[in-house]
Amino acid sequence: ILNVEQSPQSLHVQEGDSTNFTCSFPSSNFYALHWYRWETAKSPEALFVMTLNGDEKKKGRISATLNTKEGYSYLYIKGSQPEDSATYLCAFPDYGGSQGNLIFGKGTKLSVKP
Amino acid sequence: EPEVTQTPSHQVTQMGQEVILRCVPISNHLYFYWYRQILGQKVEFLVSFYNNEISEKSEIFDDQFSVERPDGSNFTLKIRSTKLEDSAMYFCASSEAQTGALGYGYTFGSGTRLTVV
Repeated sequence: ILNVEQSPQSLHVQEGDSTNFTCSFPSSNFYALHWYRWETAKSPEALFVMTLNGDEKKKGRISATLNTKEGYSYLYIKGSQPEDSATYLCAFPDYGGSQGNLIFGKGTKLSVKP
Repeated sequence: EPEVTQTPSHQVTQMGQEVILRCVPISNHLYFYWYRQILGQKVEFLVSFYNNEISEKSEIFDDQFSVERPDGSNFTLKIRSTKLEDSAMYFCASSEAQTGALGYGYTFGSGTRLTVV
């Protein structure tokens, strides 16, 4: 059974702090890794879909890196703002089936204090 | 920006009753999914749907569950004879193409919180 682990489970930072968290996934049979941001009472929103080892993607103050050989991805937030408060989910396609349905980690809940 | 719409946002039902959760996926998307998250646990895959039929389903998706795309726009999840352990947030999602190597993310709805009492 594929397992996706995220750490830490929760994080409390002050506005302006930079922060990062980790997603670990199986390193064999890699196809892609997804990052989603999920704000309370809203839809999970796709941040990045990463497919290449060494890839780095950026969206504003948020960036992510990918190491497929060792099976981890980091998500970085530079200069955190209160609006960054959300749960950040990573997900890995399960190619045991044919459609690669996503296996999710438990998420990292980020709280940014003003 | 196109959205996936889910109704209702909250549903409370008595154990043993049937519920239908509704979703309107993005119109040009071809792949549709239901996921759920029991409080405090991971988001779990239930079922995927393509070309008007189920393409994958998880162990959770037993005979109690069914999905339908009755009119080409709505995508519904029916839970027959609900149990207490069915209480969860149910998410609908859609995508243009298969996930994974093609690099397509999902567009999620905002979920239906189902409470079985």
